Amino acid sequence: DTAVSQTPKYLVTQMGNDKSIKCEQNLGHDTMYWYKQDSKKFLKIMFSYNNKELIINETVPNRFSPKSPDKAHLNLHINSLELGDSAVYFCASSTRQYGNTEAFFGQGTRLTVV
Amino acid sequence: AQRVTQPEKLLSVFKGAPVELKCNYSYSGSPELFWYVQYSRQRLQLLLRHISRESIKGFTADLNKGETSFHLKKPFAQEEDSAMYYCALHNAGGTSYGKLTFGQGTILTVHP
Repeated sequence: DTAVSQTPKYLVTQMGNDKSIKCEQNLGHDTMYWYKQDSKKFLKIMFSYNNKELIINETVPNRFSPKSPDKAHLNLHINSLELGDSAVYFCASSTRQYGNTEAFFGQGTRLTVV
Repeated sequence: AQRVTQPEKLLSVFKGAPVELKCNYSYSGSPELFWYVQYSRQRLQLLLRHISRESIKGFTADLNKGETSFHLKKPFAQEEDSAMYYCALHNAGGTSYGKLTFGQGTILTVHP
């Protein structure tokens, strides 16, 4: 039983399209994240939600809009996709209990914009 | 601003040799540091955290506040250790609580 699951695993789309990536966790965590891994494998946080409330919003174009319908789900919607958006996007979740902040990651969604 | 640096992008060793993956950090508060590992075709997962002071799969990492380092070490590398390793710093303060800042990653290859 998967702890953090993302769909789809692969996504190929044309420039200008709008797409969504879904994420669900069954760990009972109260905090969820989106990370972006670029072509050089560099991982950088994009967003963080705690109990459906946005708490971290790094410098990300406003074409990216996260949505958290409940604390077990954090979806990422991307408008007007650009070539530079091609990357692997990782969802993760954790608790906010100090000393127990292990982040559990999804398997990643490889987005290719053509 | 917090920062994590892994100076080696690629590291190759032979089976049975010692291995050290370097990690340096800059952070104004009290750091909470982790090593995450991504094996081929698997998801990113926690390897160890400095708070636990544990050895996982033969790996250890000691936090050196004087040198602001958290190097990962293993005395005898195994082929199954080949993976991408990320050093990460957890932001335990303020509104950025929970944020992980990752280093650039080190690809470790252990040759037979």
